[in-house]
Amino acid sequence: AAGVIQSPRHLIKEKRETATLKCYPIPRHDTVYWYQQGPGQDPQFLISFYEKMQSDKGSIPDRFSAQQFSDYHSELNMSSLELGDSALYFCASSRSSGKVVVYEQYFGPGTRLTVT
Amino acid sequence: QKEVEQNSGPLSVPEGAIASLNCTYSDRGSQSFFWYRQYSGKSPELIMFIYSNGDKEDGRFTAQLNKASQYVSLLIRDSQPSDSATYLCAVRVYSGGGADGLTFGKGTHLIIQP
Repeated sequence: AAGVIQSPRHLIKEKRETATLKCYPIPRHDTVYWYQQGPGQDPQFLISFYEKMQSDKGSIPDRFSAQQFSDYHSELNMSSLELGDSALYFCASSRSSGKVVVYEQYFGPGTRLTVT
Repeated sequence: QKEVEQNSGPLSVPEGAIASLNCTYSDRGSQSFFWYRQYSGKSPELIMFIYSNGDKEDGRFTAQLNKASQYVSLLIRDSQPSDSATYLCAVRVYSGGGADGLTFGKGTHLIIQP
């Protein structure tokens, strides 16, 4: 079965640079979520989008922004990167509408961001 | 106090035995409960989800929910070495939309001893 696709899988940036992470949800899933997981930590919810509109917001820094496009893929934009932004970034998807609603969130493989 | 609490472990269980993982949550508005398995450096993998009080079984896995006690558990029968991983309990609090983020516990590190 098709899964969530994330790119790139690894990214190395320097402090104060910008980064863009991409997420392609499972086919027919209309909702995407972004999570950040630091070393030894549990995943922290950042933000979610349903039908291209921001739906829920967690602990996302003001330096980060995200959007969902017409094909349901999503991008997380991170600016003025700090050392503490080094983490695994996961995208998850679910289906929030239609005849079959799947609220369960399925995670992608993640993007490992290293800020030096 | 974290909204979702788990014993971090490690929890060591002999191969073939039953592993019992527990989770408590603080928000009574929580409606959906999920168990994810995560291997080191990998993404969380959905194992079980439960919405109603009682038990839900899927193969070797059983999820149990008690909303009155704000308690959810995961039982793994016939534990295998490949079950060794961190098990994350996650809770969804309904906010009116369909895209609520999950709140995770810190996870329980499970070790299955051959």
